[in-house]
Amino acid sequence: EVQLLESGGRLVQPGGSLRISCAASGFALNSYAMTWVRQAPGKGLEWVSTIRGGATMTFYADSVKGRFTISGDNSKNTLDLQMNSLRVEDTAVYYCAKHLNGLLPSPFDSWGQGTLLAVSS
Amino acid sequence: SFELTQPLSVSVALGQTATITCVSDNIGHNLVHWYQQKPGQAPVLVIYRDSDRPSGIPQRFSGSNSGTTATLTITRAQAGDEADYYCQLWDVRAAVVFGGGTKLTVL
Repeated sequence: EVQLLESGGRLVQPGGSLRISCAASGFALNSYAMTWVRQAPGKGLEWVSTIRGGATMTFYADSVKGRFTISGDNSKNTLDLQMNSLRVEDTAVYYCAKHLNGLLPSPFDSWGQGTLLAVSS
Repeated sequence: SFELTQPLSVSVALGQTATITCVSDNIGHNLVHWYQQKPGQAPVLVIYRDSDRPSGIPQRFSGSNSGTTATLTITRAQAGDEADYYCQLWDVRAAVVFGGGTKLTVL
């Protein structure tokens, strides 16, 4: 059974950094594309970043480019998101999502329950 | 930028058919996926590649995509279908794109 469990979300001051993780089980991370999606309170889904299976390619939303870094640890089967220079508008629940396969246009067939990042002074 | 336009809200009478649209120029050239999100829960894939249904999703859920509009159709709407629905696609320039979401109310 595929499971995704995010962790690491907490309260951070503006300008701070945080690394959140997604522990994957039931499949090999490096065989699938993986994506981080966030949802600000009361708002819709917003794409953050995608990594292609095997970490051959990474993609970022303009709103986080240069500040966030997506990476995968195949030995631990975890997906990470390093977030620097955090802003109040980064406040959101962050979901990791598994693609149906290793192809980038494939849909997200499994989602974690999310981890909450709050950026505030 | 690539935008997908959804109605903010759609209402449907219990047992009737709900239609949720996702509009963008030439969306018919892309593969569109649809997600259902209930309050406090993670999204769930309900339709992928325009019209395919994941295992476990009722046949009442169907999708189509042509021209400038992708459509999610829910027949025989039930109270349990009340949720937010999002369309999504992959664009070679914009990567992952989500629609703004539609709140479905079953009356």
